[in-house]
Amino acid sequence: QSALTQPASVSGSPGQSITISCTGTSSDVGGYNYVSWFQQHPGKAPRLMIYDVSYRPSGVSNRFSGSKSGNTASLTISGLQAEDEADYYCSSYTSTYTRVFGGGTKLTVL
Amino acid sequence: QLQLVQSGAEVKKPGSSVKVSCEVSGGTFTTYAISWVRQAPGQGLEWMGGIIPISGTTKYAQNFQGRVTITADVSTSTAYMELSSLRSDDTAVYYCAPSVVRGVDNYNCIDPWGQGTLVTVSS
Repeated sequence: QSALTQPASVSGSPGQSITISCTGTSSDVGGYNYVSWFQQHPGKAPRLMIYDVSYRPSGVSNRFSGSKSGNTASLTISGLQAEDEADYYCSSYTSTYTRVFGGGTKLTVL
Repeated sequence: QLQLVQSGAEVKKPGSSVKVSCEVSGGTFTTYAISWVRQAPGQGLEWMGGIIPISGTTKYAQNFQGRVTITADVSTSTAYMELSSLRSDDTAVYYCAPSVVRGVDNYNCIDPWGQGTLVTVSS
């Protein structure tokens, strides 16, 4: 199972919105509504931000939203804040009953 | 609340094996699945496999088939990940993460993850 494809880096200024893409295939992202997004700050464990494409766990800001079109899922962060600077990973269920992660995207808040 | 506590850092020789534990507290162990995810230095997350403790059902990523064994001890609410034939590129932080068992996508990884265990493979 190949890793999902994410841009290596994205950036935005405080208050702006950014979108991170996550491209897979019909055997993972495109085939199921089971895409998750994780935030990871340096030296910390990942934190779940979005599950099942567009659902936010309790405690996650509504500035974070998820969507999917075809084989590509997206994470949008609106009203960027300095604390959003982190690495972001997507993950999807696959046709072999496993999970696969994306390569990760480094978000820089300018 | 749910808490996952992992065993401490390990230094291993190439060719040897390592076994990392993940003790779950604050929740009912048998209602979760446990996934293992690793992260090499400066690299991304890699799903290795998982187990549904109540049934003992396991699933492994193709990249680790034959080299990783995931087990669980329901009596102690602890999951284990053993990786054999270690190589230098197995040097990584290994995380355990709980998952909601729901029939499909049982290794979905929710919060909170364990704190991570650094495994260093060096001669």
